[in-house]
Amino acid sequence: GAVVSQHPSWVICKSGTSVKIECRSLDFQATTMFWYRQFPKQSLMLMATSNEGSKATYEQGVEKDKFLINHASLTLSTLTVTSAHPEDSSFYICSARSGSRYNEQFFGPGTRLTVL
Amino acid sequence: DAKTTQPTSMDCAEGRAANLPCNHSTISGNEYVYWYRQIHSQGPQYIIHGLKNNETNEMASLIITEDRKSSTLILPHATLRDTAVYYCIVRVAWSGGGADGLTFGKGTHLIIQP
Repeated sequence: GAVVSQHPSWVICKSGTSVKIECRSLDFQATTMFWYRQFPKQSLMLMATSNEGSKATYEQGVEKDKFLINHASLTLSTLTVTSAHPEDSSFYICSARSGSRYNEQFFGPGTRLTVL
Repeated sequence: DAKTTQPTSMDCAEGRAANLPCNHSTISGNEYVYWYRQIHSQGPQYIIHGLKNNETNEMASLIITEDRKSSTLILPHATLRDTAVYYCIVRVAWSGGGADGLTFGKGTHLIIQP
């Protein structure tokens, strides 16, 4: 299957700082990537859809000015959590659409963010 | 996307077949059944998908009932590494550029017992 990587795998930061998370499709081009968030003992929740060369589409309740998404190339999308607060601590996971007509999605390994 | 219902948890003995059911009684004709799993603290992993025919790949088999209102994911020889949360998701394959993000339910926590 297709490989998606994320960097970093974990990060600890102070409240008020910004954190950037990278998502890369390693062996295929992804015009669309997705960002999810998962709180402990909960399921994944879609945050936003990232389209190469255009603005991201955010799900209801997700602040676009707080979670900045940039999809500058067909293999890279970045999520920046601005002015992070402890309640932003979560597991952030990206996925990339395969491009096949069956629309499988391939997920990255996730990034554990802890805001102190 | 059609709603799915899965048992909260299941146990299976190592080496035996694990059969995970999923009900999707409101599935539409153009919706596929997708299965993903998430091992603890990892990103989800795509397993298999199907429309109406049974499907098999190197990871699992997918059995879809004739009326398509339910399906079963089969792991033929479960190992300890198959312990994970398994998600059954029903959706159209391609929405033509619209929102294609996945909606995850609570899934089934499959525990493989040694």
